[in-house]
Amino acid sequence: NAGVMQNPRHLVRRRGQEARLRCSPMKGHSHVYWYRQLPEEGLKFMVYLQKENIIDESGMPKERFSAEFPKEGPSILRIQQVVRGDSAAYFCASSPPGGGRTDTQYFGPGTRLTVL
Amino acid sequence: QKEVEQNSGPLSVPEGAIASLNCTYSDRGSQSFFWYRQYSGKSPELIMSIYSNGDKEDGRFTAQLNKASQYVSLLIRDSQPSDSATYLCAVGYIPTFGRGTSLIVHP
Repeated sequence: NAGVMQNPRHLVRRRGQEARLRCSPMKGHSHVYWYRQLPEEGLKFMVYLQKENIIDESGMPKERFSAEFPKEGPSILRIQQVVRGDSAAYFCASSPPGGGRTDTQYFGPGTRLTVL
Repeated sequence: QKEVEQNSGPLSVPEGAIASLNCTYSDRGSQSFFWYRQYSGKSPELIMSIYSNGDKEDGRFTAQLNKASQYVSLLIRDSQPSDSATYLCAVGYIPTFGRGTSLIVHP
């Protein structure tokens, strides 16, 4: 399967714990985007990364959230000291290199985070 | 702040009819426009992309773009029950998504 992969698909954490969400982009893609979707709400952009670089993090909360896309391995979205309001579906999308208006994003299956 | 507006619906149409989904956006400089379909509990799936004014057809789907009116729409011909889903409009290079319109196609 050459699609975008995310794991885990479901993650349960207690308040105060850390959540780590992983995303492997589609083969040949070097751009990764993270989105959050709350129940009954639209997708909210969080962060846009290329290998070893954060390009746009304008949608990231200022505290507790961080993201990386190392040279080797998947992109990681890390949420420290989770609170109940962090419960949501987190989607990763990837697009091919090159930039420009023709980039199309392909979404992974998402990670459903539940904070108890 | 860039905004993308969609009627949340639900939009209910009979099987075989044309479903018309609409979207307006605030950023006049936007160049990229997308329609995604999302089934309940699933991830968004790209249906159409459009970049120029006018119509773009792909099978039963037609996307229409009017940049002067800041309006983009999606027509689904011969609607099927399997088309029942939430349709997300997305605008921009790093897309801003609307909240989506729920479509119900009843037999």
